[in-house]
Amino acid sequence: GAGVSQTPSNKVTEKGKYVELRCDPISGHTALYWYRQSLGQGPEFLIYFQGTGAADDSGLPNDRFFAVRPEGSVSTLKIQRTERGDSAVYLCASSPSPSSGELFFGEGSRLTVL
Amino acid sequence: GENVEQHPSTLSVQEGDSAVIKCTYSDSASNYFPWYKQELGKRPQLIIDIRSNVGEKKDQRIAVTLNKTAKHFSLHITETQPEDSAVYFCAANDAGGTSYGKLTFGQGTILTVHP
Repeated sequence: GAGVSQTPSNKVTEKGKYVELRCDPISGHTALYWYRQSLGQGPEFLIYFQGTGAADDSGLPNDRFFAVRPEGSVSTLKIQRTERGDSAVYLCASSPSPSSGELFFGEGSRLTVL
Repeated sequence: GENVEQHPSTLSVQEGDSAVIKCTYSDSASNYFPWYKQELGKRPQLIIDIRSNVGEKKDQRIAVTLNKTAKHFSLHITETQPEDSAVYFCAANDAGGTSYGKLTFGQGTILTVHP
């Protein structure tokens, strides 16, 4: 089927605002990951879901960041009280299972905080 | 946690030449090492990976070697073509995690292949 879909592709917001980024993984993929990529850097792990539960959220930078995956498919990354340092491309990836290795990335959501 | 260092940061070659990118990692328990290619403005895509029970893996013009004792692994591209131009990222998994998808990435290598 279709690849990983992320919306919006671009989001410009003002400092202090709330933002939601959505990820629709490949159908049937149980593992879902959020990464953040700053300009000129490699992706940085944020959080990983297996099914509906967050199996590992150790990469979330602080409590302003939160993610959910209520039905085990679509996931939403939520950022409260955005700061200019949050500006980056937020990448979502899915995988058939936690042991399969290969990550199928979406095109990313570029967040710019003014 | 894991730390992955990648070099060179930029690499320029002539079409047909070989290109080699090297990475080192810090956690000796890591056991999965993928390489991703990212074209400008596009998503990262897996091009090859290796697990710690093998020392080398090859797929057409691309090969990866792993030296667990020295904690380094390398990507080799032979007969480079202009379409190989992209940013290449190495990565290593978090051995303490429950998923091979929890990765620490290197800083990336910008490869330019000149026609």
